[in-house]
Amino acid sequence: DTAVSQTPKYLVTQMGNDKSIKCEQNLGHDTMYWYKQDSKKFLKIMFSYNNKELIINETVPNRFSPKSPDKAHLNLHINSLELGDSAVYFCASSQVHKEQYFGPGTRLTVT
Amino acid sequence: AQSVTQPDIHITVSEGASLELRCNYSYGATPYLFWYVQSPGQGLQLLLKYFSGDTLVQGIKGFEAEFKRSQSSFNLRKPSVHWSDAAEYFCAVGASSAGGTSYGKLTFGQGTILTVHP
Repeated sequence: DTAVSQTPKYLVTQMGNDKSIKCEQNLGHDTMYWYKQDSKKFLKIMFSYNNKELIINETVPNRFSPKSPDKAHLNLHINSLELGDSAVYFCASSQVHKEQYFGPGTRLTVT
Repeated sequence: AQSVTQPDIHITVSEGASLELRCNYSYGATPYLFWYVQSPGQGLQLLLKYFSGDTLVQGIKGFEAEFKRSQSSFNLRKPSVHWSDAAEYFCAVGASSAGGTSYGKLTFGQGTILTVHP
């Protein structure tokens, strides 16, 4: 069983489009996260949700909107995609202040 | 604000040799510390973690790390490297205090690429 899963694994789209990435965890964790890994492999947190409540919202453009329908799911919607949004997006989950478990990543390419 | 520095961008070792990857952190209190490994095209796998207690922690795949508060370091070690250990390694620091904007946040170092020669 996959602990943290993301769909899709690859996403190729044109500038200006809107796209969503879905994340699900079956670990029973109460906290979920979105990270962005840029072309230099630098990982930076974007958002964190605890029990469906937004806890961390780093300086991310408001074109990015996370949504957590329940504790096991955290989706990321991106409006008006730009070239600079190309990256690998990782979802993660944890019990609060415990180790985080990462999904396989979604490679987004904006052309 | 918390930060992590991995001084070595790329390390090459021979198979069977010992390995030490360096990690220095900055955090105002006792941090939570982690090492993750990422193989090409894969997600991040947790190698080991430090929350409190014994400063020498054991992880998976024969890795260990030592927390040294006086040096603000959490170096990763392995006595004998295998070719399958070739990957990128990330050190991360997490906020140990509840509440506030750092709640649950992990800050990663820039990663160290490990190449293993046969």
